[in-house]
Formats: sequence, C-alpha cells, structure tokens
Amino acid sequence: GAVVSQHPSRVICKSGTSVKIECRSLDFQATTMFWYRQFPKQSLMLMATSNEGSKATYEQGVEKDKFLINHASLTLSTLTVTSAHPEDSSFYICSASRTGGATNEKLFFGSGTQLSVL
Amino acid sequence: AQKITQTQPGMFVQEKEAVTLDCTYDTSDQSYGLFWYKQPSSGEMIFLIYQGSYDEQNATEGRYSLNFQKARKSANLVISASQLGDSAMYFCAMRESARQLTFGSGTQLTVLP
Repeated sequence: GAVVSQHPSRVICKSGTSVKIECRSLDFQATTMFWYRQFPKQSLMLMATSNEGSKATYEQGVEKDKFLINHASLTLSTLTVTSAHPEDSSFYICSASRTGGATNEKLFFGSGTQLSVL
Repeated sequence: AQKITQTQPGMFVQEKEAVTLDCTYDTSDQSYGLFWYKQPSSGEMIFLIYQGSYDEQNATEGRYSLNFQKARKSANLVISASQLGDSAMYFCAMRESARQLTFGSGTQLTVLP
C-alpha cells in the first residue's frame, strides 16, 4: 500500500517557539494533503486541506496564522505551529490523497506527531 | 448533526470470539464511501476496510467484514476470531463527494486473554 511518512514523531518545545512537521508521500503524488489534530481519547478533527501549489483551506475555528501549511510539491506538505503555547499540545496527523476527492479512495496516514509545549 | 455516530465508547471481547463495532452515518449524497481505521496506542491510523455506497455485497478483508445496511444507514465492523493485537481504538469514517474524510468518535476495543 501507499506509504506516508511523517516527521518528527515526537517533539517537545518551549512556549513561544515554532515547530515544523513534515508529511511526505513516498510512492505517489499527492494532489491533496489533509492535516488533522487529535486530543487524547478523542476523534480526529480536520484542521486544513492543502492542495499543491495553492493556499490551504482551513476549517472553521482553526487559526491560519498559527498553523501555517505549505504544500510546495506533490510529495511534501508541512505544518508549522507558530509561537506554540501549551494549549497547542496535541497529536497531529496527516494524510495524503492521490485524487483529491474520490469517495472510494483509501486515504493513507502518516504515523503522527505528538507535540508537547512546555 | 453528527455525520458519523459510534455509540460504543468501549468494548470488551474474549480472545478468539467475534465482536461487532457499531457505526451509523448521515448523508444526503447518493455516492459516498465508508471506511474503518484502527489506531493502536502508537497513534498510526491503519486502514482496515472500505464499503462503497453502490456496492451490493458486504466488504470483507480477512478477519474484518463490514455489515452494510444502506436503508438503516449503518456500517458495522465485524472482527472475527479476535486476537490480543486487535486491542486498539477503531474509527468509522465517511467520505462524501469531493470532501474530506469525516470520523466518528471511536470505539476502544480491548481483547481479553
């Protein structure tokens, strides 16, 4: 199956610093990548949808200046948490889509990043 | 309204027994896809099984089968011959046309030895 690589798997940072998370599709070109956030024991909540070469579409309530998404190539999308604060501590996970919207497409996910802000 | 509803926050099953995880969904689209993912404690999301809205037969993948009842808008996951390694969080998800995957709240399955 398709492989999506996400790094780092875990990061601890001080409050006020910025953290960059990378999501790579290793064996296919991803027209669209999705970024999710997950709190402990809860479901995945979509943060934003990024298409290669264009601005990301953010879900309601997600601060685009806080969570910067760049999808510069068909195999790489990055999420930067700017000026991180303890309330940004969470599990972030990406998924990559070949088709962008086909209902029968099996989305593959990265392994996730656990962010802890001190 | 919730698009995907999983009413069982936690389930227990004895090793080697079968277990059914419930999922109901809400959509007005004719074309949609239903998915089940497994999330172990490591956090990765593992694809298990897919059912298309136009598929007439229930999907099966090894020990996983999907009990698809379109009129009732339910897509229950059946795991046969449970193994200790099946202990994990299970998410039901739906994808409507040109939209993102929407997840249910999940069911924590614990397989007892």
